Amino acid sequence: DTAVSQTPKYLVTQMGNDKSIKCEQNLGHDTMYWYKQDSKKFLKIMFSYNNKELIINETVPNRFSPKSPDKAHLNLHINSLELGDSAVYFCASSPWTGPDETQYFGPGTRLLVL
Amino acid sequence: AQKITQTQPGMFVQEKEAVTLDCTYDTSDPSYGLFWYKQPSSGEMIFLIYQGSYDQQNATEGRYSLNFQKARKSANLVISASQLGDSAMYFCAMREGMDSNYQLIWGAGTKLIIKP
Repeated sequence: DTAVSQTPKYLVTQMGNDKSIKCEQNLGHDTMYWYKQDSKKFLKIMFSYNNKELIINETVPNRFSPKSPDKAHLNLHINSLELGDSAVYFCASSPWTGPDETQYFGPGTRLLVL
Repeated sequence: AQKITQTQPGMFVQEKEAVTLDCTYDTSDPSYGLFWYKQPSSGEMIFLIYQGSYDQQNATEGRYSLNFQKARKSANLVISASQLGDSAMYFCAMREGMDSNYQLIWGAGTKLIIKP
């Protein structure tokens, strides 16, 4: 059984479009995250939710909006896609937020904006 | 200032040799956690090993061990008897305490290539 799953795995779209990426975890974790990995492989936290409550909201354009319908799901909606949004987006989850809590990652969604 | 520094952008190692991947960190928080992740060419992020700041012993997980030197603020990953499948990007990360909302702070990664 997949622990953290994301759909779609690949997403190719035109500039200006709106798209969503879905994430689900079946680990019973309370906390979920969205990361962006750029072409240089640098990982940057975007958002974090704990029990459906937003706890980390890094400086990302407000075109990016996370939505957590329940604690097992954290979706990412992106409006008016731009070329610079091309990246790999990872969803992750951890049992709680604490210094010793391991984050488990989904397989990533490779977004290419043309 | 960089909180996590991985000084080796790339490394080539002969198969079956041991590998040490460097990681230094910077924090004034007494409670923190250190993590290593592996990212193979297929792209997924795989958790390898964890070390807590209060742990007295170095963490080990199979062929992976963490050489934790607290005074030097280093948390090097050691892979014993390297295998071709160890070729991947390796990321060191640190999680600080409550003031930072327990964010995971990432290093830039080291690309490890194992030669047959």
